[in-house]
Amino acid sequence: GDSVTQMEGPVTLSEEAFLTINCTYTATGYPSLFWYVQYPGEGLQLLLKATKADDKGSNKGFEATYRKETTSFHLEKGSVQVSDSAVYFCALTSGYSTLTFGKGTMLLVSP
Amino acid sequence: KAGVTQTPRYLIKTRGQQVTLSCSPISGHRSVSWYQQTPGQGLQFLFEYFSETQRNKGNFPGRFSGRQFSNSRSEMNVSTLELGDSALYLCASNPGSPGMTYEQYFGPGTRLTVT
Repeated sequence: GDSVTQMEGPVTLSEEAFLTINCTYTATGYPSLFWYVQYPGEGLQLLLKATKADDKGSNKGFEATYRKETTSFHLEKGSVQVSDSAVYFCALTSGYSTLTFGKGTMLLVSP
Repeated sequence: KAGVTQTPRYLIKTRGQQVTLSCSPISGHRSVSWYQQTPGQGLQFLFEYFSETQRNKGNFPGRFSGRQFSNSRSEMNVSTLELGDSALYLCASNPGSPGMTYEQYFGPGTRLTVT
């Protein structure tokens, strides 16, 4: 079945540091890939998405590129802020809308 | 446009009781999915409803059930609650047209605590 593996956290960074959160996947067919973010006490918000190979999703300074050859969708941001502190989930869907999630990576950014 | 709403936001129940959670999707969205989030298992898919029919189901026992009404609102029910059912239950909606892949729009969740 489908699965998503992402790096365990927490990831602790200072403000303005570079962020990478690794995500790899296993899927049948040709999945769509997503990054969701969850702030404390809230539901999930879509951060970015990519639906085909070599697509780059981007939003709020975050980027991720759909790499079919390495089955990866790593999340990057050039300069993190304290307000980026949250839990980040990599996810995929192989059909319709049912999402398979990774375990989540907590990001803590200090001033 | 109003987002996905879930009621109640917090719930405390006793082992053996049953509970019903409610979800109102974004206006015009016909697909509603439910997910369970726990620290140990992470986010797990429960089921999806589209046009009042269950379209997909995750690997959960029969104590977990759901339904969808003609206005696309959905409810999920858990009978004979167990301590392990304590979780954040998230509802998500999308337009849901067959053959299309959409991103999910999530509600804030219902925090269920079973004592």
